[in-house]
Amino acid sequence: EAGVAQSPRYKIIEKRQSVAFWCNPISGHATLYWYQQILGQGPKLLIQFQNNGVVDDSQLPKDRFSAERLKGVDSTLKIQPAKLEDSAVYLCASSLVGLRPQFFGPGTRLTVL
Amino acid sequence: GESVGLHLPTLSVQEGDNSIINCAYSNSASDYFIWYKQESGKGPQFIIDIRSNMDKRQGQRVTVLLNKTVKHLSLQIAATQPGDSAVYFCAETSEILTGGGNKLTFGTGTQLKVEL
Repeated sequence: EAGVAQSPRYKIIEKRQSVAFWCNPISGHATLYWYQQILGQGPKLLIQFQNNGVVDDSQLPKDRFSAERLKGVDSTLKIQPAKLEDSAVYLCASSLVGLRPQFFGPGTRLTVL
Repeated sequence: GESVGLHLPTLSVQEGDNSIINCAYSNSASDYFIWYKQESGKGPQFIIDIRSNMDKRQGQRVTVLLNKTVKHLSLQIAATQPGDSAVYFCAETSEILTGGGNKLTFGTGTQLKVEL
């Protein structure tokens, strides 16, 4: 079974530029999550989708971050404009509905200069 | 706010010994717990999970123990191998508090180092 796919794996941009990340979840997983992981810390949830609807985006900095999952499968996360403090690994995860384990992709390491 | 914490940031064990990684949680409404392993440059890898109606669950070389009285979770790894070297995170969620959303709260992680 294929895991969660993410691209790109690495991205370096300058502050105030924009960037987008892509995620393809495990087939059949209705729930998709985007996490931000700062070095030395645990992942922090940014947004959660169930199918193409948002379940939780309370931790998403909506003035600069946006995400969509238009067809209920793959998803994109965008940052515009980026700040230095956005340097982190952005992880995508997916799961079946309910209290089920979340399976993570390899992440995208973003460096903002 | 509610948080999940780990007692030790680094744990060093000899190859072949058993490892015990501990985790304290503060949300008494938590009803689902997961342990993840994260190797450098990779995403967290699911190890084992446990629901609040259980106090022990075993997998291959791993056992998770849950003590709801003191809100404590532990991961035991038998016969630790060099490939077990990684950062281990506990995570918890509450179906009630998240409205079924399954939002995970992670701790900061424990670095497990296996010495040959």
